[in-house]
Amino acid sequence: DAGVTQSPTHLIKTRGQQVTLRCSPKSGHDTVSWYQQALGQGPQFIFQYYEEEERQRGNFPDRFSGHQFPNYSSELNVNALLLGDSALYLCASSLDRGRVGSPLHFGNGTRLTVT
Amino acid sequence: AQSVTQLGSHVSVSEGALVLLRCNYSSSVPPYLFWYVQYPNQGLQLLLKYTSAATLVKGINGFEAEFKKSETSFHLTKPSAHMSDAAEYFCAVRQHGSGNTGKLIFGQGTTLQVKP
Repeated sequence: DAGVTQSPTHLIKTRGQQVTLRCSPKSGHDTVSWYQQALGQGPQFIFQYYEEEERQRGNFPDRFSGHQFPNYSSELNVNALLLGDSALYLCASSLDRGRVGSPLHFGNGTRLTVT
Repeated sequence: AQSVTQLGSHVSVSEGALVLLRCNYSSSVPPYLFWYVQYPNQGLQLLLKYTSAATLVKGINGFEAEFKKSETSFHLTKPSAHMSDAAEYFCAVRQHGSGNTGKLIFGQGTTLQVKP
């Protein structure tokens, strides 16, 4: 049973460019959340997708956008990259359908470096 | 609003010694609490969770945590540290209640060092 998979594992971009990160949730999971983890910090919630819609959003600018597909996979897009966007981006999936106590399963993340 | 505070950004123990990682939470509703571990260059792995059942929660790799409402704490312990326990540990509270859909709010993390 495959867990959460993310691609690519590493990425180097230049300021001002755009990037797309991809996530496939754990089999059977219907909800995908994205987190940003800066070096030495705890992960920060970006947004969550359920039934192909953004259900909740953290304190991130509109440069951060996402999408969820009918097969529950998801993309995170970041436009006009800034140096401060350099971080580990984590995707987490869960089987929610209203069950808030269900745990999140995380992928290994995409390490984004902006130069 | 819910929040989590992890006391001590670095904890160092000797192999075989007790591990104690501290976590205090703030929540206006009964919290759902989690401990995750992160090894270098990897994602987060769930160690254990508290969801209002038994207050003493047992997790993987010999870890356990006790929910103490009176102290608003959810400290993580392991009786005997192993070298393989060296990692970053995160306490998290899952936000719920009206208008919330269950995002995790993480503490800043505690780096556990295990000395031979």
